[in-house]
Amino acid sequence: QKEVEQDPGPLSVPEGAIVSLNCTYSNSAFQYFMWYRQYSRKGPELLMYTYSSGNKEDGRFTAQVDKSSKYISLFIRDSQPSDSATYLCAAPMNYGGSQGNLIFGKGTKLSVKP
Amino acid sequence: NAGVTQTPKFRVLKTGQSMTLLCAQDMNHEYMYWYRQDPGMGLRLIHYSVGEGTTAKGEVPDGYNVSRLKKQNFLLGLESAAPSQTSVYFCASRPRTGGIGIQYFGAGTRLSVL
Repeated sequence: QKEVEQDPGPLSVPEGAIVSLNCTYSNSAFQYFMWYRQYSRKGPELLMYTYSSGNKEDGRFTAQVDKSSKYISLFIRDSQPSDSATYLCAAPMNYGGSQGNLIFGKGTKLSVKP
Repeated sequence: NAGVTQTPKFRVLKTGQSMTLLCAQDMNHEYMYWYRQDPGMGLRLIHYSVGEGTTAKGEVPDGYNVSRLKKQNFLLGLESAAPSQTSVYFCASRPRTGGIGIQYFGAGTRLSVL
């Protein structure tokens, strides 16, 4: 079992819908969590960064971490066609020489239809 | 704003040929990474470097070698290419301090090995 699991989708929603993207993780030592967005034929770019439990909001995006259930979520409100991309969750290792190395989920491909 | 630049963008090799992928960053970052991305597998770490002159193995290092002779450059070498190395390769970098897990990615190199 990978330390970070993510349903690869694909997920297709109509414009304006609320999107929920989810990951689970197995390592209880993870303290930070990231969401990266990757447009087709581009490199990933950091979208959201959260620490520990709770919510973080940035415009139409909300990142949520539930440490008790080891669950990471990204919500997109009023989704737009420009949100169509692959979303990858990630957590950095925090031990030994691998500190800072990212463990990525497989990514969920999202398509927002006009 | 160049950021992380990867060359070449595309390459086709025959089995057994060798090649070197170049990653250059202009952000004075200490850490650099090479990933490969395959359908259904997500991003997997090949090798990484925590500073000039140092390299370390990641999750899938076999068949690859790396060098970090200059702080701004990180080279990934394939000595004898195999079809299993057909993939999209991404380079990333991050500073030593200022947000563990925040990595900056290049646009990728698409490699096909026939």
